[in-house]
Amino acid sequence: EPEVTQTPSHQVTQMGQEVILRCVPISNHLYFYWYRQILGQKVEFLVSFYNNEISEKSEIFDDQFSVERPDGSNFTLKIRSTKLEDSAMYFCASSVGPTGGRSGANVLTFGAGSRLTVL
Amino acid sequence: DQQVKQNSPSLSVQEGRISILNCDYTNSMFDYFLWYKKYPAEGPTFLISISSIKDKNEDGRFTVFLNKSAKHLSLHIVPSQPGDSAVYFCAASFGQGAQKLVFGQGTRLTINP
Repeated sequence: EPEVTQTPSHQVTQMGQEVILRCVPISNHLYFYWYRQILGQKVEFLVSFYNNEISEKSEIFDDQFSVERPDGSNFTLKIRSTKLEDSAMYFCASSVGPTGGRSGANVLTFGAGSRLTVL
Repeated sequence: DQQVKQNSPSLSVQEGRISILNCDYTNSMFDYFLWYKKYPAEGPTFLISISSIKDKNEDGRFTVFLNKSAKHLSLHIVPSQPGDSAVYFCAASFGQGAQKLVFGQGTRLTINP
């Protein structure tokens, strides 16, 4: 079964350092997402990406965050200058996309996550 | 912003019995509701969904019920099995744009032998 793969599985970094989290979405999917889950809290939406541009972003996704699809297969999340509160599990997800109307839900397939620890 | 709420952080059920997980929402504009299951060290895995125009959807041991007037949905698992022990997330989406999912806080389900 096709899956979303994420690397690294765990990254430890010093506050103020740049971090890049990588994802390989499912090949025929058109929509890409990043979510995060701070320990003990709910899964929060960060950003969605379609047709090589951001389609929606949350308040969390400030100027310190950026996303890129550099080569047609990878989808990356960059945090420019990490803060302690960026420590979380970051999930990449992809989907075929909204089917329009009421023909079906937009089912996201998630990767296993990248745990980011900022010291 | 608590648009989707799961008020029970945990639930313990005997193997073979019915597990009922509940979810409430506040935004009547949601078009679809989905349930995801999450094991430790894995990403959420899709289980079942329901359109806002339906009141029930069934897939094997899993049934989701939607009560639009009460803005409430529930996931029933019958019969419960030990492998069902996981965290269950309720999620909702709007019918426009990229249809991001808005998640609840999750309920940890433990199935006891």
